[in-house]
Formats: sequence, C-alpha cells, structure tokens
Amino acid sequence: GAGVSQSPRYKVAKRGQDVALRCDPISGHVSLFWYQQALGQGPEFLTYFQNEAQLDKSGLPSDRFFAERPEGSVSTLKIQRTQQEDSAVYLCASSLDGGGFAQPQHFGDGTRLSIL
Amino acid sequence: AQKITQTQPGMFVQEKEAVTLDCTYDTSDPSYGLFWYKQPSSGEMIFLIYQGSYDQQNATEGRYSLNFQKARKSANLVISASQLGDSAMYFCAMRSNTGGFKTIFGAGTRLFVKA
Repeated sequence: GAGVSQSPRYKVAKRGQDVALRCDPISGHVSLFWYQQALGQGPEFLTYFQNEAQLDKSGLPSDRFFAERPEGSVSTLKIQRTQQEDSAVYLCASSLDGGGFAQPQHFGDGTRLSIL
Repeated sequence: AQKITQTQPGMFVQEKEAVTLDCTYDTSDPSYGLFWYKQPSSGEMIFLIYQGSYDQQNATEGRYSLNFQKARKSANLVISASQLGDSAMYFCAMRSNTGGFKTIFGAGTRLFVKA
C-alpha cells in the first residue's frame, strides 16, 4: 500500500513482557516519528528519526523504551518489562522532508497496546 | 514552553451548517507551523490543513479553512457545510524551529454532526 503501515494492529501482553511494534513508512520518506496516545488525549511525541539517525529521543518515557530504524526505512519501537501505564495507542508517522517543519506528517493506523 | 490549547472537549453542529473549532497556541519562536488533523473512531490521523507563521493569507483546503490570528495566537479551524462523515476528533498541532522535531498536539475536540 501507499500509506504508513503499522503492525500489529492490536497487541495484548502481560505485565513484565517485552513487546515490539513495527512501522513501515511511506517509501522515500526521510522523517519518521513515534507518538504515544493515551485514551481521550492527543498524541505525545516519543522519538524522531531522520533516515537511520535517531535525532531526538527526548519523549521516550523511560529506558524501557527503545526505538531503531537501522536501514532508514522500517522502524521498530520496543518496550521492555511492560507496565500497565504503557497501555496506549502507539502511532507512527512519516514525512518527506529532512527536518523542515512545514511538511505534514502521514500517520499509520496505530498499534493499540493493552498491558494486563 | 510550547503549548496547544483546545478548550472545546465536544461540539455539536447540524448537518450542512458551518462550525468553528478553537485552537490557541503558545510559542516564543517567530517561525512555526500549525496543523489540523482529523481522527475518526477507526483511529487513523488524517492531515487536513497547514498554516505557516509567515503566511500572509489564511489557508484553505476544500471545505476546511484556517482562521489564523497571529497577534492572538489563535488558529481556529472552520468546517463549512458539515457532513455526517465529519464526526470525529480534531487535533490542532504545532511544530517550530526551536521546538526541534517535536509536534505538539492539543487535547482535541470531538465533533458530532447531527442529521
């Protein structure tokens, strides 16, 4: 497809388990963003990649959260030792530019993570 | 600190009428961009419209227009001729040079279109 693809669409895990969320951006898009969206709230920035370089990870809530984009395309957000407060929708977005703020971001459908 | 404020948790509009969704922002950066996104119940975030801080004219995209009042730091979204399919959450967002790569989102406004 032509859009941003995220998988899985839904993920249920037990507290303490590790999870990995995948994002496949639009082909050719330089910028990739991860957001966390709690129920009834706006998305909160987690991290940003320009190609394979992670230029901003200031939004990651703890060192249990780790993101990578090794070849500058597909990205994975990993959460270790999950806790109940990690339950949220995780959104991935990509944009064509290399850092200019005028470009809109194109979002995937998100992964809804539920920690039991 | 940069901030987006959306003061209307929910709004109702009659089908075919116009509606304005409010957004105010706070930034000390003279160069920034403002965005509106739509999020239906299915969850995807859909880009609607963009306004740059140096743009002289208000942005328009089809039935969407942005009422940009720079001195008031407001960027209200106007939807004309509302349709049932416009029922969704609407988020105002901002990105700036000093904000780095972050996009700051407001809490959102849920719009209900009545038949």
